[in-house]
Order: sequence, then C-alpha cells, then structure tokens
Amino acid sequence: GAVVSQHPSWVICKSGTSVKIECRSLDFQATTMFWYRQFPKQSLMLMATSNEGSKATYEQGVEKDKFLINHASLTLSTLTVTSAHPEDSSFYICSAHSRGTQYFGPGTRLTVL
Amino acid sequence: TQLLEQSPQFLSIQEGENLTVYCNSSSVFSSLQWYRQEPGEGPVLLVTVVTGGEVKKLKRLTFQFGDARKDSSLHITAAQPGDTGLYLCAGAPPSNDYKLSFGAGTTVTVRA
Repeated sequence: GAVVSQHPSWVICKSGTSVKIECRSLDFQATTMFWYRQFPKQSLMLMATSNEGSKATYEQGVEKDKFLINHASLTLSTLTVTSAHPEDSSFYICSAHSRGTQYFGPGTRLTVL
Repeated sequence: TQLLEQSPQFLSIQEGENLTVYCNSSSVFSSLQWYRQEPGEGPVLLVTVVTGGEVKKLKRLTFQFGDARKDSSLHITAAQPGDTGLYLCAGAPPSNDYKLSFGAGTTVTVRA
C-alpha cells in the first residue's frame, strides 16, 4: 500500500524560530501533496496544495510567507513555519495523492513556547 | 469549496451497540472517502466509494454512497472499544479529484 511519512513526529521550539517539516511518499511518486493543520477534536483544515516543480497553492487566509512550501522532488514536500509563534502550535498533517486516493502521513505535533 | 456536513459530532455508545454516522452535502462528489483517526496520528483510509448507490462492507463496517453522490453513511454493527476514534468523511469534487473537502468529524467512543 501507499505509505507517507513525516519528520519529525513532534517538535518543540522557541517563539521566533523557524521549523521545517518533511513529508515523503515512500513507495510511490506524488506530483501533488497537501498540507493540513488540525486543532484538538477538530477536522483537518487544508492549508495548501504542494505541486512538484511549481509554486504551492495556498488556501484563503493562509499566509504564504509564513508557511513556506517546497516540493522539490516527486517524493518530498517540505513545510517551513517561519518565525513561529505560540498560535502556530498545532498538529500538521500532509497527504499525497495516488490513484484517486489520498494517503496521509502520521502528522507532526508542533509546540511553540 | 464544497461543504460536507457530518453528523453527529459526538457519539458515545456501549460495546455491542450499533451506530451510524452521516455525511451530507448539496454538492456532487466524484468520490467520497472515510477515514478513522486516533489521537496523535494521521487519518487512516477505511474506504473509497465512487459509484452512486454503492455499498461497501469492511467486516463490521458498512459504507453507503447516495444515488446522487451527494451523501454517504457509515454504519458500525456491534461496536467494540477498538472502534473508538475520530471518523472523517472527505469528498472529491468532480472538477478536481485531488483536493478533498472534509466533514467536521464524528468522535466515536465505545464503552466497554
């Protein structure tokens, strides 16, 4: 089956620092990946669509300069939270599309102190 | 954005009871997916339904896609504590099969 990994699984950082989260499709290639954030006991909120070899497409209300996305290869997309603040603390999940189905990574818990 | 209304938001039942979760929209979807998510983990795909009127069974779970492809339901028979989790429905619009619209989720708790 299609497997998506994320790294790190959790990260704690100080306010003002930047954090990079990696999303990899392990056994398939994905020209399109998606980044979501999720607050406790809530559903997933789509942040942006990551397109291999081109700029990401951001959802309304998501700051592209705050959440930098790079999709440099067919198996890797990265999300960098720049100048992180406590309100950026959340569960970040990526997904990759394969054969009509989206497969999700295990998520990254970001805590900004 | 195509909205998916999921109900109920919370469901707490005793082991052995049955439950049904609903996912409704005024929009047509090319496919609809159901996921289960446990705390601190990513959603895990349970099933994808693509044909109007389709019924799929996965052990004690039965998934149905409405004839008009606007709604779906998930029915669990004889629920077990291991069924506890957040259930999410997600639809792919006809115009773009890649971008999913998620329901708000149903938190299911099965008490032993």
